[in-house]
Amino acid sequence: EPEVTQTPSHQVTQMGQEVILRCVPISNHLYFYWYRQILGQKVEFLVSFYNNEISEKSEIFDDQFSVERPDGSNFTLKIRSTKLEDSAMYFCASSEDVYEQYFGPGTRLTVT
Amino acid sequence: QKEVEQNSGPLSVPEGAIASLNCTYSDRGSQSFFWYRQYSGKSPELIMSIYSNGDKEDGRFTAQLNKASQYVSLLIRDSQPSDSATYLCAPRDYGQNFVFGPGTRLSVLP
Repeated sequence: EPEVTQTPSHQVTQMGQEVILRCVPISNHLYFYWYRQILGQKVEFLVSFYNNEISEKSEIFDDQFSVERPDGSNFTLKIRSTKLEDSAMYFCASSEDVYEQYFGPGTRLTVT
Repeated sequence: QKEVEQNSGPLSVPEGAIASLNCTYSDRGSQSFFWYRQYSGKSPELIMSIYSNGDKEDGRFTAQLNKASQYVSLLIRDSQPSDSATYLCAPRDYGQNFVFGPGTRLSVLP
């Protein structure tokens, strides 16, 4: 069964550094998303992406964040200058249509 | 501000019993509703989706939707210890993103 994959599984970075989180969505899916979950808190929407452009973004997704689909398979989330409060699990999701979203295993980001 | 409310739990049920998980939402524009299961330290896993009022059954799971009351529920029949997890309610409006509830932690006791 096809699944969303994410790399790395765990990323440790120093405050102020740039990080890139990578995702490979399910191959025939057209919609891509990033969510985050701070430890012990709820899953929060960051951004959705369709047809090579951002379709929606939340207040969390400020100028420090960007997304890109650099090729036909990868979908990335870049955080330009990480802060301590960016420490969280970051989940990528994809969907074939606007309905059911399937999540990847997540990347745990630790900012020190 | 779109709000989704769920009892945080833990909801404890004995093995073999019916677990009933409830969710209310504030956005009357919500059109479709999803239940996800999240094991500790893992990603959300899609369990059920429901789009119209009434009941929808899938194996041991039944989703119930009442848009007038802005209420959606998930029933798990014949609960198993492996069902012990946090269950997330996620309504979606005309946009593409979900608004996740805080989740209800279910504990099924052997």
